[in-house]
Amino acid sequence: DVKVTQSSRYLVKRTGEKVFLECVQDMDHENMFWYRQDPGLGLRLIYFSYDVKMKEKGDIPEGYSVSREKKERFSLILESASTNQTSMYLCASKLSQGAVTNYGYTFGSGTRLTVV
Amino acid sequence: GIQVEQSPPDLILQEGANSTLRCNFSDSVNNLQWFHQNPWGQLINLFYIPSGTKQNGRLSATTVATERYSLLYISSSQTTDSGVYFCAVAYNTNAGKSTFGDGTTLTVKP
Repeated sequence: DVKVTQSSRYLVKRTGEKVFLECVQDMDHENMFWYRQDPGLGLRLIYFSYDVKMKEKGDIPEGYSVSREKKERFSLILESASTNQTSMYLCASKLSQGAVTNYGYTFGSGTRLTVV
Repeated sequence: GIQVEQSPPDLILQEGANSTLRCNFSDSVNNLQWFHQNPWGQLINLFYIPSGTKQNGRLSATTVATERYSLLYISSSQTTDSGVYFCAVAYNTNAGKSTFGDGTTLTVKP
């Protein structure tokens, strides 16, 4: 089974801190994604990456950046954490559509970030 | 972009009852998944089903791509089935970014 591992389940950070959320997948998927989920707002895409060193903005990239130096790792960076970034952060990976088999997204277990 | 509508938004059942959850989408898709979000927040893949019918135990799903909908059936529901069910769809050309519905919140009472 594909595994997507997020480094922290719960995280508490102070306003203004630089925060790193790490995500690692072990099945050689080309595509990786970061979502945030808030009550009443559903899942919103922050950034995604379709290859090493490649990234594209999602629907709500403001206040975030990402890094993908290796295929298996996709990091989400909050440059200066703010209280409105308190949320559940979900990482996912996926094969490219042209693959012979494509089972869609596999999600990590999520990181509940609280910014105080 | 593709619009996704899930219904009903909320569903309350007694244990043992059957249910059908629906996902309508506004455009052609070649990628559709159903997920269950557990109480800890993790999204668990139930089915990857861009077309056709699949079954896994008490759960089954059918996608009729030409009519732009998918159905998730839960039979003999259990309290552990409670949670939010999401549908995610895409017509992928490259990176595989999907659009998620708002989910159906299922509560199964003992």
